[in-house]
Amino acid sequence: DVKVTQSSRYLVKRTGEKVFLECVQDMDHENMFWYRQDPGLGLRLIYFSYDVKMKEKGDIPEGYSVSREKKERFSLILESASTNQTSMYLCASSLGRLMNTEAFFGQGTRLTVV
Amino acid sequence: GESVGLHLPTLSVQEGDNSIINCAYSNSASDYFIWYKQESGKGPQFIIDIRSNMDKRQGQRVTVLLNKTVKHLSLQIAATQPGDSAVYFCAENRDDKIIFGKGTRLHILP
Repeated sequence: DVKVTQSSRYLVKRTGEKVFLECVQDMDHENMFWYRQDPGLGLRLIYFSYDVKMKEKGDIPEGYSVSREKKERFSLILESASTNQTSMYLCASSLGRLMNTEAFFGQGTRLTVV
Repeated sequence: GESVGLHLPTLSVQEGDNSIINCAYSNSASDYFIWYKQESGKGPQFIIDIRSNMDKRQGQRVTVLLNKTVKHLSLQIAATQPGDSAVYFCAENRDDKIIFGKGTRLHILP
């Protein structure tokens, strides 16, 4: 079974802090994704990556950056956390470019910025 | 921008009845669709998918219907059970981006 692991389930950070959310997948998937989930808004794509060191903006990239130095790991970075970034963050992975397959999700990280 | 969306934020169904959850999409180039189920405190889980060259696909107790003419997708759950209580999302996979609708919360009435 595919396993996508997010480093923290719950995180509380202060406004202005630099925040790292880590995600690791164990199935050699090429594609990895970061979403945020807010009530009434569903899942919104922040960034995705289809290869090491490759990244593409999703629908809401502002205030975020990402890093993919190894195939299995995809990090989401909040350069200077703000209260409007309080949310549930979900990482996912899928097989590969143009493969048209489903994504597998981690359990999510609930981030609170105070 | 074009997006995938769901018609209703909530749906209440009697236990044992069939549930139908609808989704409309606007991008006619979409060629692959997925339904996910998200239970409280968990990440979304894959239920069933369908490619644009199909109209219908069946799984265990679930059926997905795709109407390309009106750009409409539906998920049918047969004999709804308490364990089906969750938020259901349709999603579109195009150019490697997986774009989600806003979700429908399914309530099961005893």
